[in-house]
Amino acid sequence: DGGITQSPKYLFRKEGQNVTLSCEQNLNHDAMYWYRQDPGQGLRLIYYSQIVNDFQKGDIAEGYSVSREKKESFPLTVTSAQKNPTAFYLCASSGTGYTGELFFGEGSRLTVL
Amino acid sequence: AQSVSQHNHHVILSEAASLELGCNYSYGGTVNLFWYVQYPGQHLQLLLKYFSGDPLVKGIKGFEAEFIKSKFSFNLRKPSVQWSDTAEYFCAVNGPGGYNKLIFGAGTRLAVHP
Repeated sequence: DGGITQSPKYLFRKEGQNVTLSCEQNLNHDAMYWYRQDPGQGLRLIYYSQIVNDFQKGDIAEGYSVSREKKESFPLTVTSAQKNPTAFYLCASSGTGYTGELFFGEGSRLTVL
Repeated sequence: AQSVSQHNHHVILSEAASLELGCNYSYGGTVNLFWYVQYPGQHLQLLLKYFSGDPLVKGIKGFEAEFIKSKFSFNLRKPSVQWSDTAEYFCAVNGPGGYNKLIFGAGTRLAVHP
């Protein structure tokens, strides 16, 4: 089945620790995205990558980092610098051309204790 | 900065009632508009989109949306909702960077009671 796999689904971390969320896609899509979803605020773009070895900051990139070493993978690191990391994180991808259609993963819920 | 406003955060309807969810955006240039839906326990998925042409667009499951440029609106409608329409609905617009870089509204949580 083609799709986007995010792991872990649930993650707990202590304050001051970095944590990395995995996102893998087998859709052969060039572009990948990370969004943060908070109640009442919708989805906000953290980082996006249009092609391997390239990525751009979204609207709320502070305290996060990403890499795009492979087409199918776009991991997100939530660093200790992120002031309010508890949230639901969604990874998405899109294919060639501008269609506006993003394909989303199931999400990862991060809770900082 | 470009933004999207969804006026209703929670909507409760009975089956067979009509639905209209409001969406307004702030951007004076050419826009592409989208509605995404997240059913309980499922992935967020595209419901419908507007790029150009007929301002009344039809999507999956009987949903439609009308683009009114003068009002900067893209409201979602369905004549008769079903219990299975219970979900969260997000309006989105393409951002200044283009290339599928979408800006989402806060979402509207719809509950349909049998």
